[in-house]
Amino acid sequence: DTGVSQNPRHKITKRGQNVTFRCDPISEHNRLYWYRQTLGQGPEFLTYFQNEAQLEKSRLLSDRFSAERPKGSFSTLEIQRTEQGDSAMYLCASSLGRGGFEQFFGPGTRLTVL
Amino acid sequence: AQKVTQAQTEISVVEKEDVTLDCVYETRDTTYYLFWYKQPPSGELVFLIRRNSFDEQNEISGRYSWNFQKSTSSFNFTITASQVVDSAVYFCALSEKVINTGTASKLTFGTGTRLQVTL
Repeated sequence: DTGVSQNPRHKITKRGQNVTFRCDPISEHNRLYWYRQTLGQGPEFLTYFQNEAQLEKSRLLSDRFSAERPKGSFSTLEIQRTEQGDSAMYLCASSLGRGGFEQFFGPGTRLTVL
Repeated sequence: AQKVTQAQTEISVVEKEDVTLDCVYETRDTTYYLFWYKQPPSGELVFLIRRNSFDEQNEISGRYSWNFQKSTSSFNFTITASQVVDSAVYFCALSEKVINTGTASKLTFGTGTRLQVTL
């Protein structure tokens, strides 16, 4: 049983560069969530998809952030013109749609912006 | 707005001691879901339990037990006879019900309690 996978696991970039992260959910899960976690804090919700439809975006998700899930399977999260404040762990989770409650998390992508 | 408060930032216990992690939540929804997740040093969040707002039965799973009290908006987690492997950050989370789908939505997390179990 394959869990949620995320790539890359670590990303170091210079301020102003664009970065893209990928998340592959558990295969039968049609909901996919993105969260951001900074040191000493709990994860904060960014956005989520039901199949390929993006149903909700947090106010934390500035215009520099965009997420896609083109075929309702994997998802990408892109950050344009990165800033040092974007340094965080980006977590992806998936859950079953109807009848699904629990979210299962991937290992995360740790972003460091220099 | 939903809010989860975990007032205990860090707890240290000696192995075999019992420990309780507190969680207090706020929501205006009448139907909601409560969760506990464990985040070991490796970093990956591990689901432990879900509780529905309409089910106040306490639950026990091995050395873990959960006490849900709607009257005090609390969902506390007790580890009996703690072990070194229990060392981790524990998060309490809250989710509202999504209308017409019967499912939970995004999670609102507390700030976590770091549990350190030593020999």
